[in-house]
Amino acid sequence: DAGITQSPRHKVTETGTPVTLRCHQTENHRYMYWYRQDPGHGLRLIHYSYGVKDTDKGEVSDGYSVSRSKTEDFLLTLESATSSQTSVYFCAIRRTGATGELFFGEGSRLTVL
Amino acid sequence: SQQGEEDPQALSIQEGENATMNCSYKTSINNLQWYRQNSGRGLVHLILIRSNEREKHSGRLRVTLDTSKKSSSLLITASRAADTASYFCATESNAGGTSYGKLTFGQGTILTVHP
Repeated sequence: DAGITQSPRHKVTETGTPVTLRCHQTENHRYMYWYRQDPGHGLRLIHYSYGVKDTDKGEVSDGYSVSRSKTEDFLLTLESATSSQTSVYFCAIRRTGATGELFFGEGSRLTVL
Repeated sequence: SQQGEEDPQALSIQEGENATMNCSYKTSINNLQWYRQNSGRGLVHLILIRSNEREKHSGRLRVTLDTSKKSSSLLITASRAADTASYFCATESNAGGTSYGKLTFGQGTILTVHP
């Protein structure tokens, strides 16, 4: 258990509404990541963070923003949700000093109607 | 674009048989990793092989890496029903400067092991 908590775990929302997903870690690791998982696409990187207020875009960042105001929390925001953002979102951390493996949360399933 | 491509997409075997999954990738890498995902759960790291390694073992898992062919394989020996899951390869690229630990995942292989 890498001490990663994602919230909410399930959410149904309507097109055009803002949505924020939260990833919380208890171990104060520097690197955090948001991925989305869709059938036929595997996992795709949305945004990542390499420190407080240090974030950058991944492969599929359009329509998403992130914030990291403290080490333990990495927030993913959909400013105006669209049906194409219906997905399962996973947060991951890379443990400091580790060889490179990621530790994943349990996922947040988002449905945009 | 997907860095890793896996085959087969689905694999169905009987308990006790071996399962082999393959992964191909496109760019030069620092390491290649394999993850497992049970239905409805997050991914769990299984094994990591560095670019200068050719083979690695962990319990019933054996991973090979051929950087000249940009390919890897995961072998699960003496499979069990509990091995039923999706398996993903992931690569950490060393192209374009600091990777920040970012991984690019393949689409995965769904393994079903029948009791």
